[in-house]
Amino acid sequence: KQEVTQIPAALSVPEGENLVLNCSFTDSAIYNLQWFRQDPGKGLTSLLLIQSSQREQTSGRLNASLDKSSGRSTLYIAASQPGDSATYLCAGLYNTDKLIFGTGTRLQVFP
Amino acid sequence: SQTIHQWPATLVQPVGSPLSLECTVEGTSNPNLYWYRQAAGRGLQLLFYSVGIGQISSEVPQNLSASRPQDRQFILSSKKLLLSDSGFYLCAWTNGRRRGHRGAGELFFGEGSRLTVL
Repeated sequence: KQEVTQIPAALSVPEGENLVLNCSFTDSAIYNLQWFRQDPGKGLTSLLLIQSSQREQTSGRLNASLDKSSGRSTLYIAASQPGDSATYLCAGLYNTDKLIFGTGTRLQVFP
Repeated sequence: SQTIHQWPATLVQPVGSPLSLECTVEGTSNPNLYWYRQAAGRGLQLLFYSVGIGQISSEVPQNLSASRPQDRQFILSSKKLLLSDSGFYLCAWTNGRRRGHRGAGELFFGEGSRLTVL
């Protein structure tokens, strides 16, 4: 069964810290992996997409890595800000055209 | 550019009433379309997905159904709502796994429809 797990479930940090969010997937035959941000009561916003042939992607203060052999992806947030407070979700796309989501990490960055 | 529209944004319905949520995508052709549900404090549950007109795959047995009458239109329905159907419903699309296409498989979401069944 294809499952995606995220740890920690929740994280509260002071402004300025560098953060690492973890995503694990049981089936390594992943086509791509995507990281999203969700603000309360809102839809999901795509942050980074990593194809299976890639090892990492960067966008501003965000860096996502992918290690298919170990079934892991990490989202690195540099110099966190209060505006980064949100729930972060990862999702893996498989050859069945199904995207399997993790349960998310709820991040709070306080001033 | 591609856009996705989902409506209504908010819906309050009595138990036993019908439901229709609609989602349309603009600016692309033959997208893969998805319906997800997010219950309060929980993760995203895939309900249905479609890789083409009239092709619907159901992930979870329930009293909901989905239809794709046109290439870029995806509808979520129910004949009789249950209390447990309350939640945040999200429509999404991708361009599928077109190899060699930058951004292939990237998923884009609508703003969601919040359904409360009373």
